[in-house]
Amino acid sequence: EIVLTQSPATLSLSPGEGATLSCRASQSVSNSLAWYQQKPGQAPRLLIYDASSRATGIPARFSGRGSGTDFTLTISSLEPEDFALYYCQHRNNWPLTFGGGTKVEIK
Amino acid sequence: EVQLLESGGGLVQPGGSLRLSCAASGFTFSSYTMSWVRQAPGKGLEWVSGIPASAESTHYTDSVKGRFTISRDNSKNTLNLQMSSLRAEDTAIYYCAKGRSCGGTTCSYFEHWGQGTLVTVSS
Repeated sequence: EIVLTQSPATLSLSPGEGATLSCRASQSVSNSLAWYQQKPGQAPRLLIYDASSRATGIPARFSGRGSGTDFTLTISSLEPEDFALYYCQHRNNWPLTFGGGTKVEIK
Repeated sequence: EVQLLESGGGLVQPGGSLRLSCAASGFTFSSYTMSWVRQAPGKGLEWVSGIPASAESTHYTDSVKGRFTISRDNSKNTLNLQMSSLRAEDTAIYYCAKGRSCGGTTCSYFEHWGQGTLVTVSS
């Protein structure tokens, strides 16, 4: 099983600031990685797939990069609605796994 | 519009069984890989099980192998999860999730999710 480790656990930032979230895989997943956003009481929303492709309707301020074992999600300028939990997930092989999550909170 | 509607959650005693269902609409169900993902109260996301479009294989996370069985009925646009020997640690919201179209096939990035059904395992 591939373990995904996300860091930091919590990111405290102000609206307008940039955010960089990290996801590290225990072995290579090529570019088979996605990022999700989840708000309280809601199902997750797909943001990024194949490490760097934005899903339908996702604003350009969200970008992803990386391959192999190291990946980042960048939010260029935080909007109030971006304060949420973020998870990475690989689909390189079965079983699929998610990272433990990063909470982006208002400073 | 894609819709995924889970049902079957509830309170069950440890060691008991429960069958979850997910009614799908708004897309060609028989063409997509589907999965179950769960989230324990206050915890992160955990992928539970997945099944390809034609059900030629099934896949599970280690903690549910031998206890859970995923299945699908493409004629009824329904995804199922039969859960047995339930434990307290199985308590979670269970989401049905649809794989994404990827270059003529489907891949397990989850672009559509149901609203979830709560399973509580407690005596």
